[in-house]
Amino acid sequence: DADVTQTPRNRITKTGKRIMLECSQTKGHDRMYWYRQDPGLGLRLIYYSFDVKDINKGEISDGYSVSRQAQAKFSLSLESAIPNQTALYFCATSDMTGENTGELFFGEGSRLTVL
Amino acid sequence: DQQVKQNSPSLSVQEGRISILNCDYTNSMFDYFLWYKKYPAEGPTFLISISSIKDKNEDGRFTVFLNKSAKHLSLHIVPSQPGDSAVYFCAAFSGNTGKLIFGQGTTLQVKP
Repeated sequence: DADVTQTPRNRITKTGKRIMLECSQTKGHDRMYWYRQDPGLGLRLIYYSFDVKDINKGEISDGYSVSRQAQAKFSLSLESAIPNQTALYFCATSDMTGENTGELFFGEGSRLTVL
Repeated sequence: DQQVKQNSPSLSVQEGRISILNCDYTNSMFDYFLWYKKYPAEGPTFLISISSIKDKNEDGRFTVFLNKSAKHLSLHIVPSQPGDSAVYFCAAFSGNTGKLIFGQGTTLQVKP
């Protein structure tokens, strides 16, 4: 079983719909991250969380919200999806070493298509 | 405003030769620089890193060089193998903010 699990792995939705991408981890890490990958743009940081009570905006947080329900769970929501949010989304975690060095553990990704 | 840039979208090399992937950054305050490798349908995986106080770090076939005056780092893979074919992302980490910022990625193809 993967240490960082993302659901759903693939989702097609329509403009205006509310979408939630979920991430759970069994690694016991405090820090969790959401990134999106777009061709030619690499990985861009959406939100990150140092613990359940500490959530921070990343480079491109507009149009997104997050919820850290527990240490192990970090959800990303699109309240009203639009086509330019079509992308591959990755959740990641970091341990105490990574908190100082930036080494992250990534999930397998969630591919979202907004029509 | 891209803080971490990989200006070469793709690179093709022959098996056994050296692969050199390049990365530039704009912020002098980064503490660590990292390289991640990504295969299709998988998440990125950590490959190698270097502290901002070092100029070289080596791990087997992989070596990362950091030139702080030029704000440039490079990843050398010697010898290159077909299994190295993947997308390589350069990333920069700020311990102050806890953010890890990625470049655009370079697709490496190693031909047998």
